[in-house]
Amino acid sequence: DVKVTQSSRYLVKRTGEKVFLECVQDMDHENMFWYRQDPGLGLRLIYFSYDVKMKEKGDIPEGYSVSREKKERFSLILESASTNQTSMYLCASRYSKNYGYTFGSGTRLTVV
Amino acid sequence: AQSVTQLDSQVPVFEEAPVELRCNYSSSVSVYLFWYVQYPNQGLQLLLKYLSGSTLVKGINGFEAEFNKSQTSFHLRKPSVHISDTAEYFCAVDSSYKLIFGSGTRLLVRP
Repeated sequence: DVKVTQSSRYLVKRTGEKVFLECVQDMDHENMFWYRQDPGLGLRLIYFSYDVKMKEKGDIPEGYSVSREKKERFSLILESASTNQTSMYLCASRYSKNYGYTFGSGTRLTVV
Repeated sequence: AQSVTQLDSQVPVFEEAPVELRCNYSSSVSVYLFWYVQYPNQGLQLLLKYLSGSTLVKGINGFEAEFNKSQTSFHLRKPSVHISDTAEYFCAVDSSYKLIFGSGTRLLVRP
């Protein structure tokens, strides 16, 4: 089975800190995604990448950046964490278009 | 632009009763549709998908869904639910390089 691993299940960071959320997949998937999930708002796409070194903005990219230097790893970066970025962050990958996603277990980030 | 509507935010049901979770999509082109389940504090897990062929799709854990092109619907059903089915369920449609998700339906199974 494809595995998508997010490095942390829970994180607590201070306002203004630079935060790195790491995601690694082990099945040579082309596409990778970062979503945030908030009660009542569902899943909102932050950034995605359809190939190494490629990135595209999703619906809510403000305050975030990403890095994809290797095919298996897709990092989400909060340049200066703020309390409104407290959320559940979900990473996903898929082989290519028209395939379903495989999700990681999520990282619950709290910014204080 | 494609979109997905899940009309029910929460569906309470008694154990062993049947359940239907509704999903409608908007699209003018061929669609690929998915249902995912999320248990508390976990990521999403694929339940089933429709890509083409038979409109009745069977998935894991006894769930099935029917693709209805004329009604632009992809409702999820289970004939008899268990307590362990308590979770949040998301419908999604493929849109170019990404999936578009509905807002989710929380299924609450009571003993």
